[in-house]
Amino acid sequence: DQQVKQNSPSLSVQEGRISILNCDYTNSMFDYFLWYKKYPAEGPTFLISISSIKDKNEDGRFTVFLNKSAKHLSLHIVPSQPGDSAVYFCAASSDYGGATNKLIFGTGTLLAVQP
Amino acid sequence: GAVVSQHPSWVICKSGTSVKIECRSLDFQATTMFWYRQFPKQSLMLMATSNEGSKATYEQGVEKDKFLINHASLTLSTLTVTSAHPEDSSFYICSASGVRYYEQYFGPGTRLTVT
Repeated sequence: DQQVKQNSPSLSVQEGRISILNCDYTNSMFDYFLWYKKYPAEGPTFLISISSIKDKNEDGRFTVFLNKSAKHLSLHIVPSQPGDSAVYFCAASSDYGGATNKLIFGTGTLLAVQP
Repeated sequence: GAVVSQHPSWVICKSGTSVKIECRSLDFQATTMFWYRQFPKQSLMLMATSNEGSKATYEQGVEKDKFLINHASLTLSTLTVTSAHPEDSSFYICSASGVRYYEQYFGPGTRLTVT
């Protein structure tokens, strides 16, 4: 059962435009959501996170929106740059009664920013 | 801050031998470290969670006798793939939880090829 889903395996955007990456989840117990960027043969790099008590978090060119009722979050990158080309993973975390927090990852979306 | 290193970055070994991969948090103390495996064009699969000084918790389907995890200190965790076989060839990534428990910082990964 895939608790975190990224239904778009790839996305192509022109440089300077907005990139919107989407993520859906099924478990209402998730309390933090994170976005990671990954280049081939490298570990993921943390980008931005959002708590379930918020609906928006912004950091520079990156903004994450959370719609709890729809169990949906999105990452907006504006303006998009060629260096943003990578695979983007969304991940969700839940406080299992104070136990270690595991991250559940989506399947990733390959973003290609065209110059 | 929040730098995680892995060693080696790649390793080739013969079938039947054992391989040890090290994961270190360089500038923070990590009470919890995680080990993931990634197959080509797939998401990150959590293998196990390790807390400093205690036994690792393995995910369902992961053989604990094959993938030995030791978390001897707050900055070091090791994964040993015992009696490796070609099907163990994969990209192994570790991560560590920092001050904010819901965020994980990833190492650069280790490419294991078993011949």
